[in-house]
Amino acid sequence: DAGITQSPRYKITETGRQVTLMCHQTWSHSYMFWYRQDLGHGLRLIYYSAAADITDKGEVPDGYVVSRSKTENFPLTLESATRSQTSVYFCASRTGLAGTNTGELFFGEGSRLTVL
Amino acid sequence: AQSVTQPDIHITVSEGASLELRCNYSYGATPYLFWYVQSPGQGLQLLLKYFSGDTLVQGIKGFEAEFKRSQSSFNLRKPSVHWSDAAEYFCAVRPANAGKSTFGDGTTLTVKP
Repeated sequence: DAGITQSPRYKITETGRQVTLMCHQTWSHSYMFWYRQDLGHGLRLIYYSAAADITDKGEVPDGYVVSRSKTENFPLTLESATRSQTSVYFCASRTGLAGTNTGELFFGEGSRLTVL
Repeated sequence: AQSVTQPDIHITVSEGASLELRCNYSYGATPYLFWYVQSPGQGLQLLLKYFSGDTLVQGIKGFEAEFKRSQSSFNLRKPSVHWSDAAEYFCAVRPANAGKSTFGDGTTLTVKP
């Protein structure tokens, strides 16, 4: 089914462990984004990517690593998870085509991460 | 850098009543403006967007929004709220030449029967 999918949807881990959240989109959108959502903070941008092999920091990048070797995938890795990284993580994508650059974001359903 | 303010954290309205959710932005030029809705346990879905032209834009589910340049506002309205409209609403802005969007902190809408 076409769209944007995130996995896992739920994850419990321990402090210090590495965790990778996966994001896959089937639209060949050039832009992909990772946000975290916390009560009282709305959505905060962690990292984004304008195309394969191009990534850039967002508002809260510390403690996270991303890569984008293929257009359709944009994994987010927490190299050493901390309790403050307990959150709901959303992946999103949008087109970057000229003439359609007003494009809205399409969101995955989120990955709820708990760090004990 | 651009910023977005949604002054109301939580709004409660009765079913059938009208609704207005406020959004103010700070940016030197007119950015692209968006409203998204998030139902519990779900991702965000676009309600409507403005990028140029008519300042009153229509969206899905009977929502509309009006861009007012003089007030740097993009308020969301609905004439008659339905119980299924209970959700969290986010305003977002993106400069025309930028890759990333900035979101407000959201407004939670509760609908009373």
